[in-house]
Amino acid sequence: AQTVTQSQPEMSVQEAETVTLSCTYDTSESDYYLFWYKQPPSRQMILVIRQEAYKQQNATENRFSVNFQKAAKSFSLKISDSQLGDAAMYFCAYRSSYSGGSNYKLTFGKGTLLTVNP
Amino acid sequence: DSGVTQTPKHLITATGQRVTLRCSPRSGDLSVYWYQQSLDQGLQFLIQYYNGEERAKGNILERFSAQQFPDLHSELNLSSLELGDSALYFCASSVGLGPNEKLFFGSGTQLSVL
Repeated sequence: AQTVTQSQPEMSVQEAETVTLSCTYDTSESDYYLFWYKQPPSRQMILVIRQEAYKQQNATENRFSVNFQKAAKSFSLKISDSQLGDAAMYFCAYRSSYSGGSNYKLTFGKGTLLTVNP
Repeated sequence: DSGVTQTPKHLITATGQRVTLRCSPRSGDLSVYWYQQSLDQGLQFLIQYYNGEERAKGNILERFSAQQFPDLHSELNLSSLELGDSALYFCASSVGLGPNEKLFFGSGTQLSVL
């Protein structure tokens, strides 16, 4: 079974600065998807960024980018020019590409609570 | 707004009771997922339906059941409730079944069992 580990329960960053959230995962599969979700106080899960394992190029969405290291099974999220609205719980998640059973479920890490200081 | 509607937003009940959580997926989405978020277990996949049929099961207790109706809305039934069932229950929907399908999450139902 796949596991996702977020080793930083909490992180803080100054407004306008850059912060990196860490995520490692364990899988024996070669094809899969990785995600970062944001959960603000409103509780809604919002997709921040997605990475396909077969793509070597790191995904980027505006101020959010990832550092995907497949061999190391590492998938970190970098938030540039942090804004107050970025304060939230961030979850790393894994999704298999192989069909059958519950393979398409999202497996989540425990989350990292990001505080943005003005 | 994700387009996924969950009701009620909050639910307070007592141990031993039964509750029903409702989810209306985005218009056009055929797949519905249920997740449970608790402090000790984190976010856990419970069950998935696609066009009315159960497609995958995760860590769902036997006391819990779900179904997806012809109009594609889904209900999660929790019975013989225990204190440990207190959690935030999410519903998510997607158009299809594939691994590259984007999931849209509702705002969740916060269940408190007293």
